[in-house]
Amino acid sequence: DAGVTQSPTHLIKTRGQHVTLRCSPISGHKSVSWYQQVLGQGPQFIFQYYEKEERGRGNFPDRFSARQFPNYSSELNVNALLLGDSALYLCASSPGSALTGANVLTFGAGSRLTVL
Amino acid sequence: GESVGLHLPTLSVQEGDNSIINCAYSNSASDYFIWYKQESGKGPQFIIDIRSNMDKRQGQRVTVLLNKTVKHLSLQIAATQPGDSAVYFCAETTGGYQKVTFGTGTKLQVIP
Repeated sequence: DAGVTQSPTHLIKTRGQHVTLRCSPISGHKSVSWYQQVLGQGPQFIFQYYEKEERGRGNFPDRFSARQFPNYSSELNVNALLLGDSALYLCASSPGSALTGANVLTFGAGSRLTVL
Repeated sequence: GESVGLHLPTLSVQEGDNSIINCAYSNSASDYFIWYKQESGKGPQFIIDIRSNMDKRQGQRVTVLLNKTVKHLSLQIAATQPGDSAVYFCAETTGGYQKVTFGTGTKLQVIP
């Protein structure tokens, strides 16, 4: 079974540009969450989507947006990139909306964004 | 891949010894706690979880202890192996929400 897949794996942008990151959840998983991981730190929650609806939003500016498609895949968009947006962007999927012992997050390997 | 463990606290243990990784959490309302393992170039991987109505939970070679009084969580790894070398994060959440708050992480180095 394929795990959570993310694309692209690496990308380089310049300040002010826009980026779109993509995530395909594990087959059958309806929830997708996005996290930002700055080098040397733990991941920080950005968004959760379940059944195409936003279920949670972290403390990130409006330059960050996301959506979930009918096939449960998801996109994270970041506008007007800043140097501080350089990070590993992680996508995680789970079968349901709430976290329980049987409903854990499975993370992808991430998209490494470098902003110059 | 790049080092996830850059500038993180590091725990070095001899292969075969037991490892104990500690974590202090911040939110007294948190009721669900998770330990993740992150290897270089990979996303975090679920290890074990515990709910706030429990003090201890055991898995295969791993045990999580929860002390709600002092808001402390620990992960014990028995008979540590080279494959256990990674960065370990404790994480907390409330009410089952997927807004999971991760700690700063501890890098575990296993000495063969």
